Amino acid sequence: GAVVSQHPSRVICKSGTSVKIECRSLDFQATTMFWYRQFPKQSLMLMATSNEGSKATYEQGVEKDKFLINHASLTLSTLTVTSAHPEDSSFYICSATQGSPSYEQYFGPGTRLTVT
Amino acid sequence: KNEVEQSPQNLTAQEGEFITINCSYSVGISALHWLQQHPGGGIVSLFMLSSGKKKHGRLIATINIQEKHSSLHITASHPRDSAVYICAVVTLGGADGLTFGKGTHLIIQP
Repeated sequence: GAVVSQHPSRVICKSGTSVKIECRSLDFQATTMFWYRQFPKQSLMLMATSNEGSKATYEQGVEKDKFLINHASLTLSTLTVTSAHPEDSSFYICSATQGSPSYEQYFGPGTRLTVT
Repeated sequence: KNEVEQSPQNLTAQEGEFITINCSYSVGISALHWLQQHPGGGIVSLFMLSSGKKKHGRLIATINIQEKHSSLHITASHPRDSAVYICAVVTLGGADGLTFGKGTHLIIQP
């Protein structure tokens, strides 16, 4: 089956620093990648939709200047949390799809971010 | 009101029992996903369906588009089935990103 990797799996950073999370589709070309966030004991929430070669589409309430998304190739999307604060501590997970009409999404293993 | 509602929120059962988790949604959808999330956080896609019924091993998923309802069934449940099961939908006319239910925390006791 299709495999999506994320790196790092876990990161601890100091408040004010930036953290980059990578999402790679290993054995297929992902026309679209999605970034989700999950706070403890809460459901996953879509943050943004990323299409290769174009600007990401952010969901309401997600600051595009704080969560920079780059989808430079059909196999790689990155999420950079800029000037991280403790309230950004969360579980970030990406998924990738080969595009419509298939809605099958393949999930990465997630990145647990802790901001101290 | 959440667009995707799941029930029950928590379920504890004995090994071997037949398990049903329900999902109702209030929007038009293109597809519905059932996902499994383990304690470490990783997510596995169990099913994606837009009509009818799908079966994979001991898992069965059904959807009734008219009633905006889906169910996930686990037959002959086993402790390794213990996980959070999440229903998620692709909204019609929206981007393909998922809208999630809050999940059902399932514990199967030996």
